[in-house]
Amino acid sequence: EVQLLESGGALVQPGGSLRLACAASGFTFNAYGMSWVRQAPGKGLEWVSAMSGGGITYYGDSVKGRFTISRDTSKNTLYLVMDRLRVEDTAEYYCAKGWGYLEYWGQGTPVTVSS
Amino acid sequence: DIQMTQSPSSLSASVGDRVTITCRASRDISNYLAWYQQKPGKGPNLLIYTASTLQSGVPSRFSGSGSGTDFTLTVSSLQPEDVATYYCQNHNSVPWTFGQGTKVEIK
Repeated sequence: EVQLLESGGALVQPGGSLRLACAASGFTFNAYGMSWVRQAPGKGLEWVSAMSGGGITYYGDSVKGRFTISRDTSKNTLYLVMDRLRVEDTAEYYCAKGWGYLEYWGQGTPVTVSS
Repeated sequence: DIQMTQSPSSLSASVGDRVTITCRASRDISNYLAWYQQKPGKGPNLLIYTASTLQSGVPSRFSGSGSGTDFTLTVSSLQPEDVATYYCQNHNSVPWTFGQGTKVEIK
């Protein structure tokens, strides 16, 4: 059974940094693409970043240059390092398995950027 | 970036009704269109990909159609457990953009 468990969400001040983690199980982690998708309170879904099974990375325009996606295949864990956080980065952050369409999603971890 | 536009933004229907949600892409995405269901407080759940392929485990009352720029999600007989917000997504090219969502309620 595929399981994705996000962690690391917190309250952080504008300009601060945070690292989110997504622990994956139930599939061959390094064979599949993975994504981060966020949802601001009361709003829709916004794709943030993705890493292919081969390690190629992509970012949305709103986070390019501030966020970094990475993975540790020995720990079956996906990461999202978020620097220079802004108030508008406040959202629930989901990790998801898949390349293009996203087959499995975690339950999310909340990030609040506020002074 | 490809823009995805859903309509309506919300709808209310009776149990057993046939419900249709439409999604329009700002340019041709072939059949690279997915649909997700999100219930309150939960992560999204994939229903359909490549416009019409039903994800394993999804009830057969859900179906998708379309290609190019115009797509449709249909629920053939609305059930109480279908109350949720539905999103379309372009999975043709990065960035994989989502529609703004359609909230479905029971009348």
